[in-house]
Amino acid sequence: QVQLVESGGGVVQPGRSLRLSCEASGFNFSKYGMHWVRQAPGKGLEWVALIWFDGSNKYYADSVKGRFTISRDNSNNTVSLQMNSLRAEDTAVYYCARDRSGDYADYWGQGTLVTVSS
Amino acid sequence: QSVLTQPPSLSAAPGQKVTVSCSGSSSNIGNHHVSWYQQLPGTAPKLLIYESNKRPSGIPDRFSGSKSGTSASLDITGLQTGDEADYYCGTWESSLSAVVFGGGTKLTVL
Repeated sequence: QVQLVESGGGVVQPGRSLRLSCEASGFNFSKYGMHWVRQAPGKGLEWVALIWFDGSNKYYADSVKGRFTISRDNSNNTVSLQMNSLRAEDTAVYYCARDRSGDYADYWGQGTLVTVSS
Repeated sequence: QSVLTQPPSLSAAPGQKVTVSCSGSSSNIGNHHVSWYQQLPGTAPKLLIYESNKRPSGIPDRFSGSKSGTSASLDITGLQTGDEADYYCGTWESSLSAVVFGGGTKLTVL
């Protein structure tokens, strides 16, 4: 069965960096795009980034453009999110999700919490 | 302020029907499929509807989706207490080259 397991969350000071990872299993990872979606405490879903199945195209929300970088390693079935210059407003649970058709996600991980605080 | 507009909350009695609306524009819903997600308290979102009106395997037919012009809706019939959750619509936004979500609708089954 499809499984997505995020890791790398934690507490980080404003301005610092953090790298999230998502390990995929149960499907042919190299054939699917992958999303990162976040949810601030008590708030709604906010899409963060999308990477195509082969890494050839990447898309970002305006709120993270220039600070976050999505990447993937198809040999290790992982997708990553490098987060630089973190701000308090980046505090959220970060979910990775499998893409279908570029506009919806059919499987989601359980999420990893990132807290940006001094 | 979300690109897609949903009512913040809805409530209905068990057994009743409820409709969650999602309003957008020509650059999103008007030209792209809509998906719907259910998020039960303390859990990750779950896909309910994709391509505006299709259900993934395992989703009961009590859940149905539709789209007309720049708006979409999610119907839930035969409401159950287990349907109490947050519901989100989502689609592609051409002007941003980004996925966008509605602000979410909290459904209470009284």
